[in-house]
Amino acid sequence: ETGVTQSPTHLIKTRGQQVTLRCSSQSGHNTVSWYQQALGQGPQFIFQYYREEENGRGNFPPRFSGLQFPNYSSELNVNALELDDSALYLCASSPDQSSGGTDTQYFGPGTRLTVL
Amino acid sequence: GEDVEQSLFLSVREGDSSVINCTYTDSSSTYLYWYKQEPGAGLQLLTYIFSNMDMKQDQRLTVLLNKKDKHLSLRIADTQTGDSAIYFCAESLGQTGANNLFFGTGTRLTVIP
Repeated sequence: ETGVTQSPTHLIKTRGQQVTLRCSSQSGHNTVSWYQQALGQGPQFIFQYYREEENGRGNFPPRFSGLQFPNYSSELNVNALELDDSALYLCASSPDQSSGGTDTQYFGPGTRLTVL
Repeated sequence: GEDVEQSLFLSVREGDSSVINCTYTDSSSTYLYWYKQEPGAGLQLLTYIFSNMDMKQDQRLTVLLNKKDKHLSLRIADTQTGDSAIYFCAESLGQTGANNLFFGTGTRLTVIP
């Protein structure tokens, strides 16, 4: 148990729709990262938020956007869904370095998105 | 760009040792990680090593880092059927591990009873 939760567990959408995935980090973890894991692949970094600001972005188009809230929750939004967006979406949280926490990322169980 | 490579499959007999290998390209990596993923589940952190170390042992797990060759390995002693899973090696390029991780494609470990 990492203390990181994600909802929903599974989701089915159709092409062109929009989706919002949610993540709840451990208390005190001010950094949240989102990853996309396609079938048979390793996770790929989408973006990272630190104290509610975007803190880095991978090679994903602007239709992938995010939000982080003061209560350690965050969202990943994907607009204009495409078939290739079908994947497991993972969020990972890290403790605030200023509090002397460790440097590792703790992953949630993921949301499996299927786009038809 | 960053590239992390792993062999795709490994089969071992229960009770034997497993060695999973990983190579990475970015010499500025500061932290290297091993994660375990069971079917349909998220990633479980197994262990990590700072780039200024060459070995770390944690119970049945031993991590070896050869920074010159950019080679990382994970040895699992006395492998059990519950160790069957996909193992991912990942590198972090930032000053701390809170920066993004680059993952390999994963090694599927099958433990034969």
